[in-house]
Amino acid sequence: GNSVTQMEGPVTLSEEAFLTINCTYTATGYPSLFWYVQYPGEGLQLLLKATKADDKGSNKGFEATYRKETTSFHLEKGSVQVSDSAVYFCALINFGNEKLTFGTGTRLTIIP
Amino acid sequence: GAGVSQSPSNKVTEKGKDVELRCDPISGHTALYWYRQRLGQGLEFLIYFQGNSAPDKSGLPSDRFSAERTGESVSTLTIQRTQQEDSAVYLCASSFQATGNTIYFGEGSWLTVV
Repeated sequence: GNSVTQMEGPVTLSEEAFLTINCTYTATGYPSLFWYVQYPGEGLQLLLKATKADDKGSNKGFEATYRKETTSFHLEKGSVQVSDSAVYFCALINFGNEKLTFGTGTRLTIIP
Repeated sequence: GAGVSQSPSNKVTEKGKDVELRCDPISGHTALYWYRQRLGQGLEFLIYFQGNSAPDKSGLPSDRFSAERTGESVSTLTIQRTQQEDSAVYLCASSFQATGNTIYFGEGSWLTVV
């Protein structure tokens, strides 16, 4: 079946540091890949997505590239801000198995 | 409405009582999901509705859990004889269709069983 494995948290970084949150997946075929973010006290929101190999999703300075050869979709940001503090979830959805499968989430805290 | 709407936003109930959680998806969205998020944990799939197809109930944890959806509109998640381990945020989401399209989440219904 489908599964998503993401970096264990929590992650604490200083403002303006470089961020990587690793995500790898197991799925048959060609899933679509997503990063969702949950800010404190808010609902889950889509951050970015990629629907085919080598696609790069980007939003709010975050990027992730769909790497089929390594079955990965790592989230990166060059310079994090305090406002990026949140829980980040990697997820996939596969045609024919229409459930969105999530990783366990990575809590990110950015300190000034 | 503009987004996925869930009610109640918070519910405290006594162990053994039944609860109903409601979800209003974005108008026109054919796919609707229910997920559960226990404190400090990831999202756990519960059930998926797509149009008039039979729902995928493979994630429901026990027969105390059930969900219905009327056409392509409102869905209700019912938990019978609640237990303390049912305490969680119950998230509803919807999309036009599942694969590749953005899935939008509601803010969730926080359920506390005491």
